[in-house]
Amino acid sequence: DTEVTQTPKHLVMGMTNKKSLKCEQHMGHRAMYWYKQKAKKPPELMFVYSYEKLSINESVPSRFSPECPNSSLLNLHLHALQPEDSALYLCASSLGQGEAGELFFGEGSRLTVL
Amino acid sequence: DQQVKQNSPSLSVQEGRISILNCDYTNSMFDYFLWYKKYPAEGPTFLISISSIKDKNEDGRFTVFLNKSAKHLSLHIVPSQPGDSAVYFCAASVAGGTSYGKLTFGQGTILTVHP
Repeated sequence: DTEVTQTPKHLVMGMTNKKSLKCEQHMGHRAMYWYKQKAKKPPELMFVYSYEKLSINESVPSRFSPECPNSSLLNLHLHALQPEDSALYLCASSLGQGEAGELFFGEGSRLTVL
Repeated sequence: DQQVKQNSPSLSVQEGRISILNCDYTNSMFDYFLWYKKYPAEGPTFLISISSIKDKNEDGRFTVFLNKSAKHLSLHIVPSQPGDSAVYFCAASVAGGTSYGKLTFGQGTILTVHP
């Protein structure tokens, strides 16, 4: 199994809603990532979890709250988002932070904030 | 400050010919480089990588060349196929330590391979 699975694929939410994006991998990877990609822009790192602990937070606003319940799961909790937060949110995993190797990306969750 | 640059937004190539995608970087701390391919509505797919201790890495039709002194890398696809049409992202990172996993991506190059 070489997949990173993200749900939902599409999400539309209002600015007062609370929703969550979910990510799952069963490759035994110990590092998991959230990236954000706006249209016609490259992916930008948001968070890195290493061995279920938050390792990197790229100064992301607190309306985005990551959670890593176990080594296979990664959530991104969304609350009071703004329309400019509309983007493709990509989850990725790798063998381990600090080990050379590629990141495996999921297909992304396309978020629209109204 | 764009640390990884792909100066060609698009490239058009005939099927069977060589595709050459270029990438420049400014951060001399980068020591691990990757190429990703992305189709619309999908996440990036890893293609090939190279460590700074090498100047060439080959995998089938894909070869990546690294010129550290020029801070330049390129991806060669030979022969190009219509299925290669996608957006190609160059990415760089510092291998090891707490910064690894922080891939810095270029803007991407749209490759179109015509039959």
